[in-house]
Amino acid sequence: QVQLVESGGGLVKPGGSQRLSCTASGFDFSDSYMGWIRQAPGKGLEWIAYISDGGSSIYYGDSVKGRFAVSMDNTKNSLYLEMNSLSAEDTAVYYCARGGRVSQSRFFDYWGQGTLITVSS
Amino acid sequence: RMTQSPSSLHASIGDRVTFTCRASETIGDSVNWYQHKPGKAPTLLIYGASNLRGGVPSRFSGSAFGTEFTLTIDSLQPEDIATYYCQQGYYIPFTFGPGTKVGVK
Repeated sequence: QVQLVESGGGLVKPGGSQRLSCTASGFDFSDSYMGWIRQAPGKGLEWIAYISDGGSSIYYGDSVKGRFAVSMDNTKNSLYLEMNSLSAEDTAVYYCARGGRVSQSRFFDYWGQGTLITVSS
Repeated sequence: RMTQSPSSLHASIGDRVTFTCRASETIGDSVNWYQHKPGKAPTLLIYGASNLRGGVPSRFSGSAFGTEFTLTIDSLQPEDIATYYCQQGYYIPFTFGPGTKVGVK
């Protein structure tokens, strides 16, 4: 079955960097759109990044544009999120999710369990 | 921008519950609904405004009228206690609504 497993979470100092990984199984990763969504403590879900199959198109939310970078390695069935210039506002549980599409609507049909990033000195 | 109402509600088991999501502009049928329980991964319930995802109980349904989208639970069950989010998938950014938290009365 479809599985997404995030890793790389932890405590990071303000201004620091961290790389999250998401390992996929149970579906054709190379033919899939993927996304990153986060949830800050006590807040709702926030979409932050989306990458097309093959990585030819990448989109970011305004709150992370210029600081975060998404990539994928089809040989390892893995999705990555490189996070730089982290601040307390980036403290959140980060989820990777598989993208789906029906006509013009894109959705996220499978999600990982999430990994927590805490930015604090 | 996506707005949701109410922000929270309390209902009795067996009640019919309806949530509303409004888009600030026309987005066709490109609204999806997710259920999120604390400590768990969110799960997709409805995609494309009214398509029930396979395996989701039939008591869940979605509809659309212009820029207003609704999620209905026909008979609330104890396992439905969660926060529900709408999300527009029409254009970047794929915005989520602020959520509706459902509790038991």
